[in-house]
Amino acid sequence: EIVLTQSPGTLSLSPGERATLSCRASQSVSSSYLAWYQQKPGQAPRLLIYGASSRATGIPDRFSGSGSGTDFTLTISRLEPEDFAVYYCQQYGSSLPITFGQGTRLEIK
Amino acid sequence: EVQLVESGGGLVQPGGSLRLSCSASGFTFSSYAMHWVRQAPGKGLEYVSAISSNGGSTYYADSVKGRFTISRDNSKNTLYLQMSSLRAEDTAVYYCVKDTGTVTANWYFDLWGRGTLVTVSS
Repeated sequence: EIVLTQSPGTLSLSPGERATLSCRASQSVSSSYLAWYQQKPGQAPRLLIYGASSRATGIPDRFSGSGSGTDFTLTISRLEPEDFAVYYCQQYGSSLPITFGQGTRLEIK
Repeated sequence: EVQLVESGGGLVQPGGSLRLSCSASGFTFSSYAMHWVRQAPGKGLEYVSAISSNGGSTYYADSVKGRFTISRDNSKNTLYLQMSSLRAEDTAVYYCVKDTGTVTANWYFDLWGRGTLVTVSS
């Protein structure tokens, strides 16, 4: 099983700042089969990024994903008030079971 | 409107059973693999189960294998999760989730329901 470790656990930033979230895998994620989701309180998760760097439909271009192998990053270039939420990474396809990271909480400073 | 709506959650005693349903609308349900993902209160996401578009193939996480059964009725656009021998650690919000792939599953998800809460407690 591939274990995903997200850091930091909590990130405190202000609107307009740049956010950098990390997701590290315990073994290589083949073909960059990595996705990112955003979850707001009381809501279901929303797909942001798949294939490590492809934005899902309707996702603003301030969200970007990068990385390969075992190290992946989600970057939000300029934080908007609606971006404060919990973010999860997920690896898929290369190795079952599907696994998620434990999440990074992005909070307003 | 493209949506998934779960139902069937509730309070059940340890060792009991429950069946969750998920009604799909706004897309061709029979073309997509479907999944269940759960989230314990205040915790992260945990993958539970998958079923292929025609129902011929299924997959279960080790934590639920032998206790949960996933199925679907494409004529009714409905996904099911039959849960038995329930344990306290199965307490969670259960999300019905749509795969992005058609011919084959891609194993990442572009549509989630609002979830249904299952509480296992005496």
